Amino acid sequence: GAVVSQHPSWVICKSGTSVKIECRSLDFQATTMFWYRQFPKQSLMLMATSNEGSKATYEQGVEKDKFLINHASLTLSTLTVTSAHPEDSSFYICSAAGVKDEKLFFGSGTQLSVL
Amino acid sequence: GQQVMQIPQYQHVQEGEDFTTYCNSSTTLSNIQWYKQRPGGHPVFLIQLVKSGEVKKQKRLTFQFGEAKKNSSLHITATQTTDVGTYFCAFPGGGGGNKLTFGTGTQLKVEL
Repeated sequence: GAVVSQHPSWVICKSGTSVKIECRSLDFQATTMFWYRQFPKQSLMLMATSNEGSKATYEQGVEKDKFLINHASLTLSTLTVTSAHPEDSSFYICSAAGVKDEKLFFGSGTQLSVL
Repeated sequence: GQQVMQIPQYQHVQEGEDFTTYCNSSTTLSNIQWYKQRPGGHPVFLIQLVKSGEVKKQKRLTFQFGEAKKNSSLHITATQTTDVGTYFCAFPGGGGGNKLTFGTGTQLKVEL
């Protein structure tokens, strides 16, 4: 199956700093990638849809200036959490759809802890 | 918008017992997918159901899609410790494309 690589796996940062998370599709081109957020013991909540070469589409309630998404190539999407605060601490997971079907392949996730 | 409830939220079984999780939607779904997330891991695709009344099997796992395409179930026969994890149903989230909305999930724990 398709492989999606996400980096870093975990990050600890001070409040006020920005954190960039990368999501790469290793063996296929992904015109669309999705960014999810997951709090402990909760479901995945879609934050935004990342579209290659155009602006991301954000879900209701997600601050676009807070969570900057860039999808500059067919294999890379980045999520930058700007001026992170403790309430931004969460598990962030990216995903991409395979070329021929509707199922999603997920990255390994990034555990963000903001002190 | 669409609301999908997944029950139970949590299930604790002895190894060898069966397990079932249910996904119920307030609206008709075009298709439904199931994912498994191991503790500390990421969701992994299990299966997609498209047709009304569809039943699919994967070894000890049986997936069903309701006749009205509003509910679905995942049944595991004779659970093993390797079945531990959280099982999510997911469905197209609207707006076209591959956007998925996930159910609330059922966390399964299996004791020896």
